[in-house]
Amino acid sequence: DQQVKQNSPSLSVQEGRISILNCDYTNSMFDYFLWYKKYPAEGPTFLISISSIKDKNEDGRFTVFLNKSAKHLSLHIVPSQPGDSAVYFCAARGRYGGSQGNLIFGKGTKLSVKP
Amino acid sequence: DAGITQSPRHKVTETGTPVTLRCHQTENHRYMYWYRQDPGHGLRLIHYSYGVKDTDKGEVSDGYSVSRSKTEDFLLTLESATSSQTSVYFCAISPKANTGELFFGEGSRLTVL
Repeated sequence: DQQVKQNSPSLSVQEGRISILNCDYTNSMFDYFLWYKKYPAEGPTFLISISSIKDKNEDGRFTVFLNKSAKHLSLHIVPSQPGDSAVYFCAARGRYGGSQGNLIFGKGTKLSVKP
Repeated sequence: DAGITQSPRHKVTETGTPVTLRCHQTENHRYMYWYRQDPGHGLRLIHYSYGVKDTDKGEVSDGYSVSRSKTEDFLLTLESATSSQTSVYFCAISPKANTGELFFGEGSRLTVL
């Protein structure tokens, strides 16, 4: 059963507008949520994260919002640029001992930003 | 640049043959991971290591083994490859403690015929 869900396989946005990527989770024990960006034939790259004790984190054009009561997070990209076109993965880390990097990933959302 | 190299980057093999993928890091990080990426599944953890000779299973470990005899090298072995193991394999390290942030290698594309 999927613990991290990205229900939109794709999203198309005009350059300069806002891109909103959504992610839902089921496990309230997750302590960190992260977004990764992936270009074809490359490894995923870390974009931004948020701790479960916060509800917003901002880094330049990227903002992540966390709604714990709804078990929902979203990534906002403002303004969107053609170079943002990539697959975006939402990931969550369990609040347990052992490995720091045991992440549960969503299936990804392919963002296309049109000039 | 965290300095991860994966080899080989591409490999085609036949069902039943053994395959070893290598991950090499230059950063002396304690934790290393192997993930696989498949269409419709995102990335899934196969095995991870928390030090030399210290490894543990991830979500999809069946059919895979790992070894870490040196800090810098983490090997993933498919003892007898099957077509279901056709995938892109990513190695990762944790450059920042306690954040869940991973730095991934460029991937190894494996095709099992």
